[in-house]
Amino acid sequence: KAGVTQTPRYLIKTRGQQVTLSCSPISGHRSVSWYQQTPGQGLQFLFEYFSETQRNKGNFPGRFSGRQFSNSRSEMNVSTLELGDSALYLCASSWGAEGTQYFGPGTRLTVL
Amino acid sequence: LAKTTQPISMDSYEGQEVNITCSHNNIATNDYITWYQQFPSQGPRFIIQGYKTKVTNEVASLFIPADRKSSTLSLPRVSLSDTAVYYCLVVPRVGTASKLTFGTGTRLQVTL
Repeated sequence: KAGVTQTPRYLIKTRGQQVTLSCSPISGHRSVSWYQQTPGQGLQFLFEYFSETQRNKGNFPGRFSGRQFSNSRSEMNVSTLELGDSALYLCASSWGAEGTQYFGPGTRLTVL
Repeated sequence: LAKTTQPISMDSYEGQEVNITCSHNNIATNDYITWYQQFPSQGPRFIIQGYKTKVTNEVASLFIPADRKSSTLSLPRVSLSDTAVYYCLVVPRVGTASKLTFGTGTRLQVTL
């Protein structure tokens, strides 16, 4: 069974731009969560989607948003990029609310 | 969610057994103990999960005493490729398990 895939793997943007990251969960998994990882803050939870509905949200500004499609694929969007948004963005999927989360390889976003 | 405490770093020689202990004094009755491994610039990889006593898989063993206030991840005969950061997490057994809270993890360095 294929793992979680994320595209693109690397991205360079400039301040003020917006970016969309994509995540395809493991086949059959209905829950997708997003995390941001930086050297200073570590791994932080962004939000979680289940059956196209946002079920949980972390403490991030409204510039960070996401959505989930009927096939469970998910996208996250960051608008008006700031230098501090440079990070590794990780997507994780699980079968349901109580399932083990499996992570993708991440998207490395660099904001210049 | 219960907070976890684990050593910041550990060093080992190749071929040795490594034991990483995690403290989770406030673990709830319904919580699982879960360990992830992460290599630089990659997503965390699920290693093992347990509720009580001992769990073993092809990669590691997890020892959980009766009071469940701590747990020990045991890696048999480590190799250089086991150099990574290891995270101990407490995850709700029921309800929303998606909002994983990662601490600083234990940075394991394996040398020849």
